[in-house]
Amino acid sequence: QKEVEQNSGPLSVPEGAIASLNCTYSDRGSQSFFWYRQYSGKSPELIMSIYSNGDKEDGRFTAQLNKASQYVSLLIRDSQPSDSATYLCAPQAVGGAGSYQLTFGKGTKLSVIP
Amino acid sequence: AAGVIQSPRHLIKEKRETATLKCYPIPRHDTVYWYQQGPGQDPQFLISFYEKMQSDKGSIPDRFSAQQFSDYHSELNMSSLELGDSALYFCASSLSWRDGQYFGPGTRLTVL
Repeated sequence: QKEVEQNSGPLSVPEGAIASLNCTYSDRGSQSFFWYRQYSGKSPELIMSIYSNGDKEDGRFTAQLNKASQYVSLLIRDSQPSDSATYLCAPQAVGGAGSYQLTFGKGTKLSVIP
Repeated sequence: AAGVIQSPRHLIKEKRETATLKCYPIPRHDTVYWYQQGPGQDPQFLISFYEKMQSDKGSIPDRFSAQQFSDYHSELNMSSLELGDSALYFCASSLSWRDGQYFGPGTRLTVL
């Protein structure tokens, strides 16, 4: 059974602060890792991807991956109220021919306080 | 940029009825995935298709079936609907393992 663990939150941070979201996963076969943002009642939106150990920065977002510890994180700098959403961690492993399975965590609800 | 298209956006059915959900992937994406998301739950993988062939199966009930057509659009057929089938159903498409999966806006199914 593939498991993805995230703190459910809610995680509350003041506007302008750094939000830190953490995720651990059980499947060592996971090859790539994605972070999705989901607003209530809307579809998951892909915001970050990371494949190699270390950090990857994209604008205000930084993803960190440590495969040995089976740990992936997302930092959001200069948090804005519009960042308030649920963030889903999704490791991806090889599934059937040509497809790759995402296993979602239950998500961390982030609330940015103005 | 073109996105994944799903129809209908909302669907209301009675118990034991059937429903068909449609998905049009991003052009040139060759893999389609279906997910079910219940209230307060994370998306659960149902089934996927690669180049019009079923490639993976997740927690899809036997009452559900799906296929991908020659134009790459996909349909999820749901029969003998139950109250517990009420959920958001998302379709996602991808081009390669590095690109991730891009989700459509979803179909909200309500079974009364």
